[in-house]
Amino acid sequence: GDSVTQMEGPVTLSEEAFLTINCTYTATGYPSLFWYVQYPGEGLQLLLKATKADDKGSNKGFEATYRKETTSFHLEKGSVQVSDSAVYFCALRKTGTASKLTFGTGTRLQVTL
Amino acid sequence: EAGVAQSPRYKIIEKRQSVAFWCNPISGHATLYWYQQILGQGPKLLIQFQNNGVVDDSQLPKDRFSAERLKGVDSTLKIQPAKLEDSAVYLCASSLDWSNTDTQYFGPGTRLTVL
Repeated sequence: GDSVTQMEGPVTLSEEAFLTINCTYTATGYPSLFWYVQYPGEGLQLLLKATKADDKGSNKGFEATYRKETTSFHLEKGSVQVSDSAVYFCALRKTGTASKLTFGTGTRLQVTL
Repeated sequence: EAGVAQSPRYKIIEKRQSVAFWCNPISGHATLYWYQQILGQGPKLLIQFQNNGVVDDSQLPKDRFSAERLKGVDSTLKIQPAKLEDSAVYLCASSLDWSNTDTQYFGPGTRLTVL
């Protein structure tokens, strides 16, 4: 079945450091790929998405490129802030009547001053 | 635009009791989802509605969980009787339709603790 694998956390970085959170997927067909973020005490929010191979999703300084050849969708940010501390979830979604999101286990990011 | 609303935000019950959660999706969204998020894991789909019809309930434990979406708007998720392993956050999400490019918008969730 479909699955998403994320790097385990927690990831601890100093402010202004470079961030990479790895995400790989297994799926038949051509899924859309998503990164969701969950800030402490809040619900899941869509961070960015890409719907086809080689697409780059970007938002709030974060970006991820849909790499079909490596089945990856790694999240990157050039300079993290304390306010980026949250749990990040990679997810895929296939078209069709059962278009559920399949999530990874999440990666907790902690940014310190 | 108002987001997805859920209530209650927190619920504590004893095992074998029953509990119900309510969700009001974003206006005009035809597709509604209920996810279960166990601590330390990613959300897992329990059931998906398209308007008031069930599209996918393959991972819903039907011996104890039930859900309905009367009139294709609000939805309720019920657990009866609850087990310890049902302790989790229950997330409701909605989207305009079921296309894989549609964004799913999530509510704040209901945190259930079963003692």
